[in-house]
Parts: sequence; structure tokens; C-alpha cells
Amino acid sequence: DTGVSQDPRHKITKRGQNVTFRCDPISEHNRLYWYRQTLGQGPEFLTYFQNEAQLEKSRLLSDRFSAERPKGSFSTLEIQRTEQGDSAMYLCASSLAGDSFEGYTFGSGTRLTVV
Amino acid sequence: RKEVEQDPGPFNVPEGATVAFNCTYSNSASQSFFWYRQDCRKEPKLLMSVYSSGNEDGRFTAQLNRASQYISLLIRDSKLSDSATYLCVVNTDKLIFGTGTRLQVFP
Repeated sequence: DTGVSQDPRHKITKRGQNVTFRCDPISEHNRLYWYRQTLGQGPEFLTYFQNEAQLEKSRLLSDRFSAERPKGSFSTLEIQRTEQGDSAMYLCASSLAGDSFEGYTFGSGTRLTVV
Repeated sequence: RKEVEQDPGPFNVPEGATVAFNCTYSNSASQSFFWYRQDCRKEPKLLMSVYSSGNEDGRFTAQLNRASQYISLLIRDSKLSDSATYLCVVNTDKLIFGTGTRLQVFP
């Protein structure tokens, strides 16, 4: 396990379709984060898990978004009824809880384009 | 008001120049601080942590002023390979990113 893996790398979908992204964190990391990044902006926090518990959700995470981490390992982020405004890079990161001085390791991201 | 504010740039500097980036943050309870580097269409990567005592990593020096809620990054002897976006980041139990400052180093 050399890092955080995200799948797919790219996704093009038609407006109104549902999409699901997967993130596999570094195996010993118990925290997993989802961020969204649009052009010219820094990554914006969406939600995070500690083990399987979802501890915080941003106001950015509308009802169309849902994230899970069922066994405290990999996580999925689903967007229902996609809109053009959902086009962005979706980044996953992981860390150890309590290790606030180490920063996070990010995956390569999933670039979503809604047409 | 954004939690972390940075000048978006771009900063266009010649090779060998010294360039400084600044940012301010609003949450005085922020626990730790970082600079991340992000290349075009890539994920952010940790460049360095930032400590109140100041810290240096080769050509890079970071400084934190908790009283002023101000963070800085100094790059000396700029290289072409330093061209990237530099993200100021604070940890408030999750990482909060600034918009980033774009640096372009030219020959």
C-alpha cells in the first residue's frame, strides 16, 4: 500500500445520471476525507470519516450527495441526478486521527465532467 | 470572509529570484499549518509544515505568526521546476485550503 487510490480517474456523464467514485486510503489511516476542487479554487471540504463513522458533512454536500465507508476501509461518494455545476475534481485524502501535524495524503482525484 | 485568504497571483518571476507568499486565516483555534504544492491537474502534495519558530527546508522557509494569524512562504533561488500553485492550509480538525497562489518561473 503506497498511497491513496481513487477510481475512476476520469468520468464523463450526462446531466441527470448518477455517478459513484471510490477511494482506498492508506491502510493504517483511520480518517478519510472527501474534497471537491473547481478551477482556480483550492480544495473545498465535503465530508470525513473516522473508521466507519461519518463525523462531519459540509453545507456543500447537498441531498444529492452521499458518502459511505461501510467497513472503515474504502469509501464511496455517490452523486445522484448530476448537474453541470457538479463538474469538478473530487479528491480523497487520508490521515491518522490525532496526527494533526502530519497533513493528509491525497489521491490523484476523480475528474468529473457533466455534459 | 474566507477562512484562509491568499493572493491568487500569478507571480511571474525569473529564475534565481526570491519570491514570498503570504496568507491569513480567521480561526484562532487552528491547530497546525501547512503549505501544499499543486501542479496543474494533479493532486495537492505536502510541501512543508509551518511552525511558530519558523522552519526551513532547503530553499524554502515557512513562518507562522499566531498573534497576527499570518503565514508566509519564502522561496529563494527560484527554479523553473518551482512553477506550480502553492496552497496555504490550516488544520481545524480538518484541513482548510486557501485558493492558492500561482507561481510561474521563467528562464
